[in-house]
Amino acid sequence: QVQLVQSGAEVKKPGASVKVSCKASGYTFSTYGISWVRQAPGQGLEWMGWISAYNGNTDKAQKFQGRVTMTTDTSTSTAYMEMRSLRSDDTAVYYCARVSGWYWPFDHWGQGTLVTVSS
Amino acid sequence: EIVLTQSPGTLSLSPGERATLSCRASQAIINSYLAWYQQKPGQAPRLLIYGASNRATGIPDRFSGSGSGTDFTLTISRLEPEDFAVYYCQQYGYSVTFGQGTRLEIK
Repeated sequence: QVQLVQSGAEVKKPGASVKVSCKASGYTFSTYGISWVRQAPGQGLEWMGWISAYNGNTDKAQKFQGRVTMTTDTSTSTAYMEMRSLRSDDTAVYYCARVSGWYWPFDHWGQGTLVTVSS
Repeated sequence: EIVLTQSPGTLSLSPGERATLSCRASQAIINSYLAWYQQKPGQAPRLLIYGASNRATGIPDRFSGSGSGTDFTLTISRLEPEDFAVYYCQQYGYSVTFGQGTRLEIK
């Protein structure tokens, strides 16, 4: 069965960086993409961007361009999301989700990774 | 950016009743690229409906979606206790955006 398993919770200071991993299993990793979505405490869902595991192409929401890097490692079927210059309002649960490509919904989700930014 | 507005913000119903949730887009969504997700506390969202009206794998047939253009609806025909959760609509036809969510609570 399809599974996306994310790395554990992180606590970071303002200005630091964080890298969240998302390990996929149960399907051919390189034939799908991975989207990243975050959810601040008590708030709704915010799409950050996606990466094609086939060719590494990415597309990110404008507010994350320049501060977020998305990568994949097809040898380990793992996707990564790195965010720099963290601020307190980046405190959120970060989810990865599988996507077939552009114009497809997110059909499987990771369990989420809580990133807390606090001095 | 396409803005999705969900209504109502909170819906209070009893098990066995019918739930109707609305999602309105600021501009027409191409090819009805509109999905609905269910999220329970402490859990990741789960895909219910895609393409406005197609049930995802394993989703009970009491869940149905309809609509086109700018107006979409999620209907739960007969509420079960496990259906009380937050529901989000999402458009994936022009970048990706989510609605703010509708909380479905037990009356």
